[in-house]
Amino acid sequence: GAGVSQTPSNKVTEKGKYVELRCDPISGHTALYWYRQSLGQGPEFLIYFQGTGAADDSGLPNDRFFAVRPEGSVSTLKIQRTERGDSAVYLCASSRSRDNTGELFFGEGSRLTVL
Amino acid sequence: AQKITQTQPGMFVQEKEAVTLDCTYDTSDPSYGLFWYKQPSSGEMIFLIYQGSYDQQNATEGRYSLNFQKARKSANLVISASQLGDSAMYFCAMREGFNNMRFGAGTRLTVKP
Repeated sequence: GAGVSQTPSNKVTEKGKYVELRCDPISGHTALYWYRQSLGQGPEFLIYFQGTGAADDSGLPNDRFFAVRPEGSVSTLKIQRTERGDSAVYLCASSRSRDNTGELFFGEGSRLTVL
Repeated sequence: AQKITQTQPGMFVQEKEAVTLDCTYDTSDPSYGLFWYKQPSSGEMIFLIYQGSYDQQNATEGRYSLNFQKARKSANLVISASQLGDSAMYFCAMREGFNNMRFGAGTRLTVKP
C-alpha cells in the first residue's frame, strides 16, 4: 500500500526480552518519527529522523531504547530488557516536509504488551 | 515543559451542533505549525487541519476550522454540524521550526444523537 506500514501489529513478550518494531514510511518521505501512546493519552515523542540521522532523540526514555534508519527509509525501534512499563502502542509517522508545514502520516501502530 | 495544553479531557455535543475544542501552546520560535488530529476508537491518527504561524487567515477544511489567536497562543478547533462519526479523541500538535512535532493530551469528544 501507499501508507506508513508498521510491523508487527501486535507483540506480546516477557519482561527482560528484546523487541524490534519496524516502520516502513511513505516512499520519498525524508522525515520519520516514533511516538509511544498509552491508553487515553496523547502520543509521546521518542525520536525523529531526517534521512539517515536522528535529528532529535531527546524523547527516548533511557538507554534501553534505540532506533536506526540506516538507508533513510525503513526504521527499526529496538527495546532491550523490556519492562512492563514499556507496554504501549508505538506509532510511526512520516512526512515529506523538513519544515513545520507538512502533516505527519501515521501508521496503524504496533501494540506492545510486556508480561 | 508542556508546550501544548488541552484543558478539556472530555466534551459532549448534540448532533448537528457546533463544538469548540481548546488548545493553547507555548513557543518562542516565530516559525511554527499547528495541527489537529482525530483518533477514532480504531486507533488510526487522521490529520484534520493545519495552521502556519505566519498565516493571516484562519484555516478551514470542510466542517473543520481553526480559530487561531496568535497573541493569546491559542489554536482552537471548531467542528460545525457535528455528526455521530465525529466521536473520537482529538489531539492538538505543534512543530517549531525544523524540530519534532509534539502533541497535547487530547480531548475526547462524544456526539449525542
